[in-house]
Amino acid sequence: NAGVTQTPKFRILKIGQSMTLQCTQDMNHNYMYWYRQDPGMGLKLIYYSVGAGITDKGEVPNGYNVSRSTTEDFPLRLELAAPSQTSVYFCASTIGAEQPQHFGDGTRLSIL
Amino acid sequence: GENVEQHPSTLSVQEGDSAVIKCTYSDSASNYFPWYKQELGKGPQLIIDIRSNVGEKKDQRIAVTLNKTAKHFSLHITETQPEDSAVYFCAASSYSSASKIIFGSGTRLSIRP
Repeated sequence: NAGVTQTPKFRILKIGQSMTLQCTQDMNHNYMYWYRQDPGMGLKLIYYSVGAGITDKGEVPNGYNVSRSTTEDFPLRLELAAPSQTSVYFCASTIGAEQPQHFGDGTRLSIL
Repeated sequence: GENVEQHPSTLSVQEGDSAVIKCTYSDSASNYFPWYKQELGKGPQLIIDIRSNVGEKKDQRIAVTLNKTAKHFSLHITETQPEDSAVYFCAASSYSSASKIIFGSGTRLSIRP
């Protein structure tokens, strides 16, 4: 039982490039989330999903896209990378409302 | 929308002393309040949580209190140890929000030997 797995762990992108951050969980959780954490700050919700085929925007969705074709996977896509997207990205999952969220160890993304 | 404020942003305590972190929330519909610990290079991990039908919860050296009327909740760590050094986040959510959690800005706790 690996929990929530994020890949890659580190990545450097050039402005305007695109990439997909991968997230997979093996706990059969319906709810999945993407957050970004800027230095010295809390976590801001980018997108979330309450089940396969269902996604919705969080607090800071601009510049990102998601899809949820399976229960296990919830990839986050950056289409045109900008310096403001330099951050640490965390994926999380939970079995349902008012239950603890389980986090991956993050993807550290720098855009130069 | 929900807003969660957390204080202090940094806290340094002598090993063996107690540490207290305080949070306030704005949405009266919030009914679930988890606390997370984040160590360097890792994702946040749940250390304790409390629901709105409970005023206090304790797990060994860690306790959380909730005052629904005042909309604030606190984390208490007693007999602090070096391994307690980390960043702690409070959070709040409501059942109606699809389990979306709003996080506080974090408290960096340092334990002095």
